[in-house]
Amino acid sequence: AQSVAQPEDQVNVAEGNPLTVKCTYSVSGNPYLFWYVQYPNRGLQFLLKYITGDNLVKGSYGFEAEFNKSQTSFHLKKPSALVSDSALYFCAVNGGATNKLIFGTGTLLAVQP
Amino acid sequence: DVKVTQSSRYLVKRTGEKVFLECVQDMDHENMFWYRQDPGLGLRLIYFSYDVKMKEKGDIPEGYSVSREKKERFSLILESASTNQTSMYLCASSLFPGGTQYFGPGTRLLVL
Repeated sequence: AQSVAQPEDQVNVAEGNPLTVKCTYSVSGNPYLFWYVQYPNRGLQFLLKYITGDNLVKGSYGFEAEFNKSQTSFHLKKPSALVSDSALYFCAVNGGATNKLIFGTGTLLAVQP
Repeated sequence: DVKVTQSSRYLVKRTGEKVFLECVQDMDHENMFWYRQDPGLGLRLIYFSYDVKMKEKGDIPEGYSVSREKKERFSLILESASTNQTSMYLCASSLFPGGTQYFGPGTRLLVL
């Protein structure tokens, strides 16, 4: 069965510091991996995706994610955090026998000024 | 840009009422989805649709039904609302089933 795990409910980082939001996955086939961001009382916004090719994927707002097949991970990163990056981040995976996206439980990113 | 709109941002209903949540997308996407979002549980798929008049159950379909009479519109129906259906409801659409999903702003439903 497909699954995705976001091991941290919350990540705290100071503005200007690098940030990482972790995601690991389990699928039976080649994964399609996604990151979404949700601001308060809003729907989810697409940030970036990995389908195939270069393991480092660049997305919106300066975010990037690294696909690591051996560790089955797809961590979201940004070199320098902004207060405006504070939001809820969701990792999602598609792969295996089903075409549905499976979402993680979300990680709340809090960037302190 | 893909635009997904939902009929209401906030809704308050009474237990036992029939509730309709409407979702419209403007990108001619074949696939549409309804999720509910609850703290600590992430997004859970209620129903999805691959084509007009076609629907499939997601992970938590109990107490819900859907309707897709036109390609751009996907409705979620709570046949008899209950307090445990108080939640944030999110609609999404995608070009193909496992691809990038584009979300509406959400409807926060409170059932009293």
